[in-house]
Amino acid sequence: NAGVTQTPKFRVLKTGQSMTLLCAQDMNHEYMYWYRQDPGMGLRLIHYSVGEGTTAKGEVPDGYNVSRLKKQNFLLGLESAAPSQTSVYFCASSYTRGLADSYEQYFGPGTRLTVT
Amino acid sequence: ILNVEQSPQSLHVQEGDSTNFTCSFPSSNFYALHWYRWETAKSPEALFVMTLNGDEKKKGRISATLNTKEGYSYLYIKGSQPEDSATYLCAYSGGYQKVTFGIGTKLQVIP
Repeated sequence: NAGVTQTPKFRVLKTGQSMTLLCAQDMNHEYMYWYRQDPGMGLRLIHYSVGEGTTAKGEVPDGYNVSRLKKQNFLLGLESAAPSQTSVYFCASSYTRGLADSYEQYFGPGTRLTVT
Repeated sequence: ILNVEQSPQSLHVQEGDSTNFTCSFPSSNFYALHWYRWETAKSPEALFVMTLNGDEKKKGRISATLNTKEGYSYLYIKGSQPEDSATYLCAYSGGYQKVTFGIGTKLQVIP
């Protein structure tokens, strides 16, 4: 049982390049999330998904796109990377029984992205 | 943007001391309050999820209380040990499985 995994662990991009971060979970969780973590700030939600085929914007969605084609995978894309997107990106997933429920989130190990 | 505030931002305690920190959050539209422990170079791990006013949760030497009417939660660590050194995050849920995280309290336990 691997939990939540993220690929890659590190990446350096040049301004304007694109890339996709992959998150995978093997816990059959419905909900999946992408966060970014910057110094002096809490984890900020970029996008999230409440199930296969669905996505929604979080607090800081600009410059990112996501897809959830399979329940176990949640992809985060940067179409044209900018230095402001230098950050550590965390994926998380959680179980749910319903919209009003709140269960703990399980986090991946993070991806450190530098945009020069 | 929902405001989740944690205090203090950082804390140094001696091994064996007990300590506590505070998380304050909006008291309206409350669904749950999460606490996570985040060790350096690792990813956050859940400690507690609390949903009811007056909830108290305990895991070993760590416990938490919840006051939803006034919008705060306390995390207590009894007899701090060096392995308790970490950043402790709280996160407020207003529903729909979305949570808003605080910046965290960074605890360092000095042997």
